[in-house]
Amino acid sequence: AQRVTQPEKLLSVFKGAPVELKCNYSYSGSPELFWYVQYSRQRLQLLLRHISRESIKGFTADLNKGETSFHLKKPFAQEEDSAMYYCALSGRYSGGGADGLTFGKGTHLIIQP
Amino acid sequence: DTGVSQDPRHKITKRGQNVTFRCDPISEHNRLYWYRQTLGQGPEFLTYFQNEAQLEKSRLLSDRFSAERPKGSFSTLEIQRTEQGDSAMYLCASSSRDRVTGELFFGEGSRLTVL
Repeated sequence: AQRVTQPEKLLSVFKGAPVELKCNYSYSGSPELFWYVQYSRQRLQLLLRHISRESIKGFTADLNKGETSFHLKKPFAQEEDSAMYYCALSGRYSGGGADGLTFGKGTHLIIQP
Repeated sequence: DTGVSQDPRHKITKRGQNVTFRCDPISEHNRLYWYRQTLGQGPEFLTYFQNEAQLEKSRLLSDRFSAERPKGSFSTLEIQRTEQGDSAMYLCASSSRDRVTGELFFGEGSRLTVL
């Protein structure tokens, strides 16, 4: 069965420090991986997709099929990065329809001044 | 605001009562999803529509739950004979087959509290 694991419920770092939010997945096939973010009092929104291989708000994520990981990284954290971050997987057997997603439990990132 | 809208935002009900939530997706989106999120968990898939057809349902969706999307526009999610375990945030999302895969647009959610 497909599964997304985010081992850290809470991650607190100081402003300017590097950030790495961990995500591991299990899926028999070629999944698509995503990071979604939810800022305080805002709706859940897409941050980035592994296919795009782009940097959004300074964040990058590389899909490592050997380690089945898709960790989210940013070299220098900013206070506005404080939010809930969810790793998500989309695949043929992930359920949830054509674009259906299986989410991890989320990591609450707090950036301290 | 042309985003996904959900109504009501909050609902408090007594156990055994029926509740209904409404979702208005982004107008050009033909795909609509319902998710449930409980405290400390990520969103969990409930059901999916393409236009008016309900194409997939999760095993989480017991027979007390029913969803409709008449005419392929707005959708309703009804929970009959609510139980305390139904207390959660119910999220609606929409997407378009013409957009990038996996980019779901979420509403702000409807929070249900069953007393």
